[in-house]
Amino acid sequence: GAGVSQTPSNKVTEKGKYVELRCDPISGHTALYWYRQSLGQGPEFLIYFQGTGAADDSGLPNDRFFAVRPEGSVSTLKIQRTERGDSAVYLCASSLGVGSSYNEQFFGPGTRLTVL
Amino acid sequence: AQKITQTQPGMFVQEKEAVTLDCTYDTSDQSYGLFWYKQPSSGEMIFLIYQGSYDEQNATEGRYSLNFQKARKSANLVISASQLGDSAMYFCAMREASSNTGKLIFGQGTTLQVKP
Repeated sequence: GAGVSQTPSNKVTEKGKYVELRCDPISGHTALYWYRQSLGQGPEFLIYFQGTGAADDSGLPNDRFFAVRPEGSVSTLKIQRTERGDSAVYLCASSLGVGSSYNEQFFGPGTRLTVL
Repeated sequence: AQKITQTQPGMFVQEKEAVTLDCTYDTSDQSYGLFWYKQPSSGEMIFLIYQGSYDEQNATEGRYSLNFQKARKSANLVISASQLGDSAMYFCAMREASSNTGKLIFGQGTTLQVKP
């Protein structure tokens, strides 16, 4: 079956511009996560959705970052007034739920964002 | 304080030999899960193995096993009979039950190079 997909795979933008990154989770997965991975580092949590609502956005670095999941499936991560420090790979993951301590997250291929 | 510590930035192993990748963790939760992911140069995160904090036996998945020492808070990954395709970045991650979100906390990773 189809895995988690993310578009675009690469995005190059100029400082100050607005960008949108899209994540299409595995069908039926209610939990959706965004992570950011800087070069040579492990992924860092940004935001978690359970269904349509953002249940935990504690990882968003500042108010330039926002994410939505209006119908409980596809999610969009939005970054306003991009800065060079936003350059990273943005990973999306989905899982069936959060009910037990074991809950495998399936990751998408990521979007590599480069801010010039 | 770091929640997940991977002290080996890079490791080398000869093909067909076994290798251990270290991971220590820090949590006050009694219930938590520990994960290992592989990230090849292509960038996707591949789930390898899971260990629950209440699991009495060490997890095994094919050539992967997890050496879980709860009192020492360590969860080392053992790869037996290394193959060239095992060359990749490896991440240890933890999920704490108290977070109620399932978000993963990752270490900084270890780069494994398998020599022919």
